[in-house]
Amino acid sequence: NAGVMQNPRHLVRRRGQEARLRCSPMKGHSHVYWYRQLPEEGLKFMVYLQKENIIDESGMPKERFSAEFPKEGPSILRIQQVVRGDSAAYFCASSPEWAYEQYFGPGTRLTVT
Amino acid sequence: QQQVKQSPQSLIVQKGGISIINCAYENTAFDYFPWYQQFPGKGPALLIAIRPDVSEKKEGRFTISFNKSAKQFSLHIMDSQPGDSATYFCAASIRGYQKVTFGIGTKLQVIP
Repeated sequence: NAGVMQNPRHLVRRRGQEARLRCSPMKGHSHVYWYRQLPEEGLKFMVYLQKENIIDESGMPKERFSAEFPKEGPSILRIQQVVRGDSAAYFCASSPEWAYEQYFGPGTRLTVT
Repeated sequence: QQQVKQSPQSLIVQKGGISIINCAYENTAFDYFPWYQQFPGKGPALLIAIRPDVSEKKEGRFTISFNKSAKQFSLHIMDSQPGDSATYFCAASIRGYQKVTFGIGTKLQVIP
């Protein structure tokens, strides 16, 4: 059973470009979460999605950030017009329905130059 | 507002010793307390978890102690090994809300 998959693993973008991060949950998991980890800091919750629904986006910056989990295909975290402060590791996690446990992917390390 | 406070931020332990990491929480609605282990360049891996209806849970060399009245919980790593060197995060969540709140992390180094 493959774990949570994220791609790309490393992404370099220039200021003002768009970044698209992809996450495929574990087989059988219908809930997806995105977290951001800044250097030397803990993980901060961004958004919680189920198929075709955003359940909780309370940790998402109000501008430039969006997330989706379509009926088919991976979940996408999209960052428009990236700035240097967006440089971080972005982790996706997944869980089965109504389960406490969340399982994390390897992360996408975004560098904005 | 830091809802889960973790200490120490760094810890050096000799091989064979006991590593102890402490966490405290504020929100009494939390009902699930996992610990994650993260190696450099990797994602966090679920290590062990506890719910507030038990005071202790042990899995191999890893033990969680939970004190509901004090709103504190801790991770003990017995017979620490160099392979345990990693960053450890305590966390808390509320069933139905799913959002996990993490502590700041403890960087553990086990020296031979």
